[in-house]
Amino acid sequence: DIQMTQSPSSLSASVGDRVTITCRTSESISTYLNWYQHRPGKAPKLLIYDASSLQDGVPSTFSGSGSGTDFTLTISRLQPEDFATYYCQQSFAIPYSFGQGTKVEI
Amino acid sequence: QVQLQESGPGLVKPSQTLSLTCDVSGGSITNGPYYWDWIRQPAGKGLEWIGRIYTSGNGYTTYNPSLKSRVSISADKSKNQFSLKLSSVTAADTAVYFCARNHYGSAKVYFDYWGQGLLVSVSS
Repeated sequence: DIQMTQSPSSLSASVGDRVTITCRTSESISTYLNWYQHRPGKAPKLLIYDASSLQDGVPSTFSGSGSGTDFTLTISRLQPEDFATYYCQQSFAIPYSFGQGTKVEI
Repeated sequence: QVQLQESGPGLVKPSQTLSLTCDVSGGSITNGPYYWDWIRQPAGKGLEWIGRIYTSGNGYTTYNPSLKSRVSISADKSKNQFSLKLSSVTAADTAVYFCARNHYGSAKVYFDYWGQGLLVSVSS
């Protein structure tokens, strides 16, 4: 199975800050890497697919980069609604696997 | 707008079978290019992919090897829903269970719609 290492596990930030979350995989997955946002009690939301493609309707303050084993999610200017937990997920091989999550807090 | 909603018992006894249903609205589960998946999250832990079903064809299923011996996913096209059965449950199966639409196409695979999740506790 492909192991996912996401960091940091949590971070404190302020509105307007630039935030970067990293995800490392145990083997190369090309660009088969997706990012999700999850607020408590809500359905998880797809932000970025194929490592860097912005899902329709997602603000351009979100961006993704990387290939192979190292990936990054960047929020350029944190908004109040962005305080949530973020997960990376690989879709290169079955079983799909997720990072442990990064909780973005005020 | 596609919407998914999980339903089922919130409490299951140890050794019994957990049964959940995902109702899909805003689109037919027989339309491609989609799989329909189940994912779970134990309290304080990460997300775990359970398995998927391909409803556009012969109902082909794929399961996480760690759960394969206990899992079954099926679909009812007439009701536009798909279901999860997990047998011989233990406390370790206590989790929030999500259903999700798995988009595949042009070599891009991702979960583009999710349900809100349903907490299922395993306890006597």
